[in-house]
Amino acid sequence: AQKVTQAQTEISVVEKEDVTLDCVYETRDTTYYLFWYKQPPSGELVFLIRRNSFDEQNEISGRYSWNFQKSTSSFNFTITASQVVDSAVYFCALSEARAAGNKLTFGGGTRVLVKP
Amino acid sequence: NAGVTQTPKFQVLKTGQSMTLQCAQDMNHEYMSWYRQDPGMGLRLIHYSVGAGITDQGEVPNGYNVSRSTTEDFPLRLLSAAPSQTSVYFCASGSGGGPVDEQFFGPGTRLTVL
Repeated sequence: AQKVTQAQTEISVVEKEDVTLDCVYETRDTTYYLFWYKQPPSGELVFLIRRNSFDEQNEISGRYSWNFQKSTSSFNFTITASQVVDSAVYFCALSEARAAGNKLTFGGGTRVLVKP
Repeated sequence: NAGVTQTPKFQVLKTGQSMTLQCAQDMNHEYMSWYRQDPGMGLRLIHYSVGAGITDQGEVPNGYNVSRSTTEDFPLRLLSAAPSQTSVYFCASGSGGGPVDEQFFGPGTRLTVL
């Protein structure tokens, strides 16, 4: 069965520091999809990124970057030059290609607190 | 285009009461699902649907019922609420075609069972 582990439960940084969130996943599928979602204090879930298992190219989007490594089953997320608005809970999630219905398996989340 | 809407936003129930959490989407998505979020456990799938008339169980289905009579609506029913069902509930929808698609989440319903 699939599993997503986010070992860091909470990270606290000072504004402008970089912060890296770890995500390790388990799946027996060869085709799968990985996601990151952000949950700000207001509670909604905001989609950040989706990667498929065939594309290990790292991606940068503004201050966000993602490092996908199949060899270590990791999909880490870095926020560069953090800002107070980055304070949120971040979830990593996995969806297997053979799973019907877009089912997502989530990690436990990492709470990021950015202090001014 | 309202996206995914959920009602109510907050609800307090007594043990044994029943209620229905409403979810609707206006994006003509085939896939809809319900998740619950508990502290430290991320979101867990309760039930999901791949189209009108088709539903299936997720990871934690006990105590919940669903039906999908239309593409737009996917209500979640608690038949006899228990304190263990105190949680935040999220409805999601996706356009189908496999797991490549982004899922859009509703704003959530915070349920407390006393």
